Amino acid sequence: GAGVSQSPSNKVTEKGKDVELRCDPISGHTALYWYRQRLGQGLEFLIYFQGNSAPDKSGLPSDRFSAERTGESVSTLTIQRTQQEDSAVYLCASSLGPTGTYEQYFGPGTRLTVT
Amino acid sequence: AQRVTQPEKLLSVFKGAPVELKCNYSYSGSPELFWYVQYSRQRLQLLLRHISRESIKGFTADLNKGETSFHLKKPFAQEEDSAMYYCALGVYNQGGKLIFGQGTELSVKP
Repeated sequence: GAGVSQSPSNKVTEKGKDVELRCDPISGHTALYWYRQRLGQGLEFLIYFQGNSAPDKSGLPSDRFSAERTGESVSTLTIQRTQQEDSAVYLCASSLGPTGTYEQYFGPGTRLTVT
Repeated sequence: AQRVTQPEKLLSVFKGAPVELKCNYSYSGSPELFWYVQYSRQRLQLLLRHISRESIKGFTADLNKGETSFHLKKPFAQEEDSAMYYCALGVYNQGGKLIFGQGTELSVKP
């Protein structure tokens, strides 16, 4: 079946602009996660959705970052007034549930470059 | 604090040699540990998890709570094992986020 998809695959934007990143999870997966991976670093957790609610937003680095999920499906991560330090690969993952019983399946990522 | 440490950024071995990728964690609760792998131009995927205690592609990892370690081992490396390997800690009190180490690049030379 189809895996997790993300769009766009690459995004180049100017400092100060807003960007929107999209994630389509595997159908039926109620848990959805966003991570960020800066160059040469591991993945950093950003936000977790269970259904359409976000019980854990603890990883969002600033109030310029926000995310929403609609219809227990698609999620969008929005970064306002982008800064150069926002340049990274943004990864989305989904799973059947929020425990270790269920594997997190990752998308291919969106590479964001802020110039 | 919740933390995962992978001390080696790059590990280079010859084909047929044993491999050990180190991972140490810091967590006050009962840990659930995972190894994820990313092959060139592929997406990140689960390799193995400690609760299943299985061997995948010849790799094994044992959780050592005393040493707070979850090292990944393979007795005889193959060229196709070359990839980025990430150790991850599952934190489930708030919904299952993963805390990742910085990753180790494994290069297996012919």
